[in-house]
Amino acid sequence: AQTIHQWPVAEIKAVGSPLSLGCTIKGKSSPNLYWYWQATGGTLQQLFYSITVGQVESVVQLNLSASRPKDDQFILSTEKLLLSHSGFYLCAWSQLGQDTQYFGPGTRLLVL
Amino acid sequence: GDSVTQKEGLVTLTEGLPVMLNCTYQTIYSNAFLFWYVHYLNESPRLLLKSSTDNKRTEHQGFHATLHKSSSSFHLQKSSAQLSDSALYYCALSDGATGGNNKLTFGQGTVLSVIP
Repeated sequence: AQTIHQWPVAEIKAVGSPLSLGCTIKGKSSPNLYWYWQATGGTLQQLFYSITVGQVESVVQLNLSASRPKDDQFILSTEKLLLSHSGFYLCAWSQLGQDTQYFGPGTRLLVL
Repeated sequence: GDSVTQKEGLVTLTEGLPVMLNCTYQTIYSNAFLFWYVHYLNESPRLLLKSSTDNKRTEHQGFHATLHKSSSSFHLQKSSAQLSDSALYYCALSDGATGGNNKLTFGQGTVLSVIP
């Protein structure tokens, strides 16, 4: 069975500090990977997607970047956090050619 | 672009009453998939239902929904609410486009609170 893990579960960070959020998928080779974000009171929106190692496409510009260093790993990062980065970050995967996405448990981020 | 609307932010129901959560959408893609995801506290959002077939009822775990392309709707229903149904429900759309990005467009979510 496939499992998806996200870390950390929650973070409180200072404005201007760096950030790295991780996502790992086990039990599935060559998945499509996605990052979603939800601001408090907002709607989940897709930030990035990746269909293969080393390739990441940006969907929304939020002064964040993403990387896929391994087939089963997806990293979201920034060098300088903004207050507007606060929210809930979800990682998801899907099988190539399939519409259903499977989500991780998410990371809650509070930027002060 | 695509959009999904869930009018109700919070629905509070007494146990045993029927559930109906509204979802309407806009897309130019005729092959769009509509989804309902359920998000329980401290768990991952998980798929509840999905459909891309017009006027066909789809069911899972006591919930059902029918995609109506004529009215661009995919309302979630259940005949009798249970306390364990309390959760956040998202309606989402995938435009079915090929090319790698299986982007989901979400509604704002509806919190269903079932009370005794």
